[in-house]
Amino acid sequence: AQSVTQPDIHITVSEGASLELRCNYSYGATPYLFWYVQSPGQGLQLLLKYFSGDTLVQGIKGFEAEFKRSQSSFNLRKPSVHWSDAAEYFCAVGVSGGYNKLIFGAGTRLAVHP
Amino acid sequence: EAGVAQSPRYKIIEKRQSVAFWCNPISGHATLYWYQQILGQGPKLLIQFQNNGVVDDSQLPKDRFSAERLKGVDSTLKIQPAKLEDSAVYLCASSPAGGGGYNEQFFGPGTRLTVL
Repeated sequence: AQSVTQPDIHITVSEGASLELRCNYSYGATPYLFWYVQSPGQGLQLLLKYFSGDTLVQGIKGFEAEFKRSQSSFNLRKPSVHWSDAAEYFCAVGVSGGYNKLIFGAGTRLAVHP
Repeated sequence: EAGVAQSPRYKIIEKRQSVAFWCNPISGHATLYWYQQILGQGPKLLIQFQNNGVVDDSQLPKDRFSAERLKGVDSTLKIQPAKLEDSAVYLCASSPAGGGGYNEQFFGPGTRLTVL
């Protein structure tokens, strides 16, 4: 069965520090992979997505993610975190085959210290 | 382009009461999704419509939850009667259909339900 694991429930970083959020997926075929961000009281905003091709994908707000098939991972990175990046981050795998479906991880809550 | 609209944004009810949520998807999007997001968890798909037909409702608690999309545009999700464990954020999303591959989902702001 398809699943997504985000091992870190909470992460705290200092402003200006680098960030890496981990995501592991389980899916039988080549996955469609997504990272979403959710600020308090807001819906989900797409940061970036991987469908095929270059395994390093660039997203909005200076985020990037790298798809590693051998490790079934799709980790999210940012070289320098801003206080406004404090939010909850969700990794998701898209299941295709007629009707598109998203399966989400449990999320990682990011806190940023000044 | 207007995004996905949802109302109300917040709702507080007592257990055993009924409640309804409304969603208006992005114009022209054939596929509409309802998700339940319990605190501390990722969103879980409840039901998926393609136009006005249901294509996946395998995780919808059908004894108390119902949803409809009568004209293939906006949709209503209802809970009757509500239980304490229904306290969650209910997210609506829409996506275009067809074209092969995978179509991105666009999310609304959600409705936060508190059941007392």
